[in-house]
Amino acid sequence: DVKVTQSSRYLVKRTGEKVFLECVQDMDHENMFWYRQDPGLGLRLIYFSYDVKMKEKGDIPEGYSVSREKKERFSLILESASTNQTSMYLCATGGGQHTDTQYFGPGTRLTVL
Amino acid sequence: GQNIDQPTEMTATEGAIVQINCTYQTSGFNGLFWYQQHAGEAPTFLSYNVLDGLEEKGRFSSFLSRSKGYSYLLLKELQMKDSASYLCAGLDSNYQLIWGAGTKLIIKP
Repeated sequence: DVKVTQSSRYLVKRTGEKVFLECVQDMDHENMFWYRQDPGLGLRLIYFSYDVKMKEKGDIPEGYSVSREKKERFSLILESASTNQTSMYLCATGGGQHTDTQYFGPGTRLTVL
Repeated sequence: GQNIDQPTEMTATEGAIVQINCTYQTSGFNGLFWYQQHAGEAPTFLSYNVLDGLEEKGRFSSFLSRSKGYSYLLLKELQMKDSASYLCAGLDSNYQLIWGAGTKLIIKP
């Protein structure tokens, strides 16, 4: 079974803080993704990575950055957290083919006060 | 623009059949996914269709019509554990997933 873990299930931060969300997968998948999920909206892609040290912007990259130093680890960074970044953050991984299934982590519910 | 439309919420009775519809408008098309998401949990894969027709997988089936930009997920013999949100996602010509907002399915005894 694919296992995708995220560093925290719940996180509360203050406006202006730097926030790190970490995602680790154990299936040697090339592709890793970061999404945010908000009520009434579909999953929105923030960033994705097809290889180590490689990153691509998704639909809503503003205010976020990512890091992929190792194949199994993909980090999402909020440089200066704002209240509108309060959301559920989901990490996903997938195989080398674009049509491969994505496997999701349990999510991190981030609240920015 | 690219868009995925699905109903916000549906209610069905335990033991019955329910059909969740999804219409899509994407730049190009490389397939359509259905995922299930229980409250507070991660989405999990249900099905992937890229050719027209019905694909059956146990109690769940997924249908695709590319000419109509339409898909549905059919759930038979509903169980209480099927209460969840069902997410429809289309894969566009750049192999990017475009996600719908999800359909919350409520099962009543």
